[in-house]
Amino acid sequence: DIQLTQSPSSLSASVGDRLTITCQASQDISNYLNWYQQKPGKAPKLLIYDASSLETGVPSRFSGSRSGTDFIFTISSLQPEDIATYYCQQYHNIPPITFGGGTKVEIK
Amino acid sequence: EVQLVESGGGFIQPGRSLRLSCAVSGLTFDDYAMHWVRQAPGKGLEWVSTISYNSGNIDYADSVKGRFTISRDNAKNSLYLQMNSLRVEDTALYYCVKDTAPSILHAHSSGSSFDSWGQGTLVTVSS
Repeated sequence: DIQLTQSPSSLSASVGDRLTITCQASQDISNYLNWYQQKPGKAPKLLIYDASSLETGVPSRFSGSRSGTDFIFTISSLQPEDIATYYCQQYHNIPPITFGGGTKVEIK
Repeated sequence: EVQLVESGGGFIQPGRSLRLSCAVSGLTFDDYAMHWVRQAPGKGLEWVSTISYNSGNIDYADSVKGRFTISRDNAKNSLYLQMNSLRVEDTALYYCVKDTAPSILHAHSSGSSFDSWGQGTLVTVSS
């Protein structure tokens, strides 16, 4: 099974800060990786698909990129409404579909 | 507007059975694969099972294989999860999820992501 290791597991940043989250895959998964945002008490929401494509309607401050087996999720300017837990998910070698452990983002 | 509405969760003793349902509207249901994804209290997301658009391809996580059965009724725009021999560790919020692909077999060629989620139904297994 492909393991996805997210780091950090949590972070605290100020409004307007640029922040990055890394998702490292245990093997090459090409670009078969998606990113989700889960706000407290809500279902997850798709933000980025295929490593770097922005889902329709998602603000452009969210972006994704890939470097080998490392996938980077970036919020260019953190907003109060971005408080959430972010998950990566792979679909390269399936089943099983696997998720990263999540990164909880808080405001300083 | 796409809507996925789960039902059927509840409090149940270990070893018993429960059937979850998901009513889907606002899309052509039989074009897409569907999944169940669960989230234990305070924990991350865990994929449980998938079924292709025509029920021809079905898969399960090892943690539920042999105990859970996924099915769908395209005429009723509904997805189901029959859960047998429930364990304490099955306690979770269960989400009904729509895939952008018709099947995980098509995932690489068509792309695959979970673009619509229900609000979840809570299953609590405890004695």
